[in-house]
Amino acid sequence: GAGVSQSPSNKVTEKGKDVELRCDPISGHTALYWYRQSLGQGLEFLIYFQGNSAPDKSGLPSDRFSAERTGGSVSTLTIQRTQQEDSAVYLCASSISDIYNEQFFGPGTRLTVL
Amino acid sequence: GDSVTQMEGPVTLSEEAFLTINCTYTATGYPSLFWYVQYPGEGLQLLLKATKADDKGSNKGFEATYRKETTSFHLEKGSVQVSDSAVYFCALSLTGRRALTFGSGTRLQVQP
Repeated sequence: GAGVSQSPSNKVTEKGKDVELRCDPISGHTALYWYRQSLGQGLEFLIYFQGNSAPDKSGLPSDRFSAERTGGSVSTLTIQRTQQEDSAVYLCASSISDIYNEQFFGPGTRLTVL
Repeated sequence: GDSVTQMEGPVTLSEEAFLTINCTYTATGYPSLFWYVQYPGEGLQLLLKATKADDKGSNKGFEATYRKETTSFHLEKGSVQVSDSAVYFCALSLTGRRALTFGSGTRLQVQP
């Protein structure tokens, strides 16, 4: 596709359940980022993938959060044992490289934990 | 740590008014600076950027100049339109850490 796509667009889950959020970056973009946008915390960096390098996980808020990127393309963010404070919009972005850092954002997944 | 501070919103202006949204930053090293915009119901879009001191980024009538001496990157537009109503985010990234550090966002409301 022409832009970054994310699925689902909305996800409602019960506290304690696991969720998976998917991101399809722009074709050819080697760098992929996950951010979280919430009312109380603004926009927070979560994790960053660049090519085949080890990901930068420094923004993950707890060990319940993990992410993987398969084949240098699609990425999945997994949240285990969801808590109400995980409710937020999860944004994915990609850039053609990590040198030219113009990041293109997807529309986000709105996660609501009941 | 690195941080970005933006003026509190909302900013409410009449159409054709002059806009300034203040942004200052704290960073170790020499960051690249960005303004992103989020229109209602849409995702974040890059509005403009500057990668070194004294660079001016511009797009769609918006401008911002990278001021190293005042660690600022204020967003300006000479004549706003109703269609400029959105939330504006200032952000930085540092060499070696490509993730963006965002400010809290400033909501702009332009009235006809």
